[in-house]
Amino acid sequence: DVKVTQSSRYLVKRTGEKVFLECVQDMDHENMFWYRQDPGLGLRLIYFSYDVKMKEKGDIPEGYSVSREKKERFSLILESASTNQTSMYLCASTIEGGGRVEGYTFGSGTRLTVV
Amino acid sequence: GENVEQHPSTLSVQEGDSAVIKCTYSDSASNYFPWYKQELGKRPQLIIDIRSNVGEKKDQRIAVTLNKTAKHFSLHITETQPEDSAVYFCADPYGGSQGNLIFGKGTKLSVKP
Repeated sequence: DVKVTQSSRYLVKRTGEKVFLECVQDMDHENMFWYRQDPGLGLRLIYFSYDVKMKEKGDIPEGYSVSREKKERFSLILESASTNQTSMYLCASTIEGGGRVEGYTFGSGTRLTVV
Repeated sequence: GENVEQHPSTLSVQEGDSAVIKCTYSDSASNYFPWYKQELGKRPQLIIDIRSNVGEKKDQRIAVTLNKTAKHFSLHITETQPEDSAVYFCADPYGGSQGNLIFGKGTKLSVKP
């Protein structure tokens, strides 16, 4: 019963390409997040969103943008892919807790390689 | 910004031994402390969490303890088994109640049979 789905498990893209990573959740969660995971660096927050059409920068937003047109879908966009964006990308969602933080549900991840 | 430091980065134990992973945080207003387990090739999954109104929480072989004075919380795994081998992440709420988490860099736990 997969609740957070990332559209691609593996992607290979060329430098300079525009890349879309899609994430869909079926739990009616308000909050959605994009992280990248690199060895020795853990999980770093790229962007997050608390509601439709809302977005907030995380710790490493440079080179990325996001789109949240529908509550269930949160897209990560690499405007012009570069080799240093080769990474594992993880989407997560959580319910809006009224100021109370709740646990995340993660997607399976997209391993992106930029050549 | 806020951060959370996690130690050790790698941990190797014999099956049946205990394992302890520790995280320290900087924001005294933090009030929620989860632990995630990520098995090789799989997604991180929440295994246990604790809120600041309690000092310890147990779930079978795993427990989390919180020391608010010292600003650290720890994951304890007793009677370790090979299937406990994974990367474990702690996390801390960023900004107190914004709903997003800052993760530690992870601890790779290896349980040797």
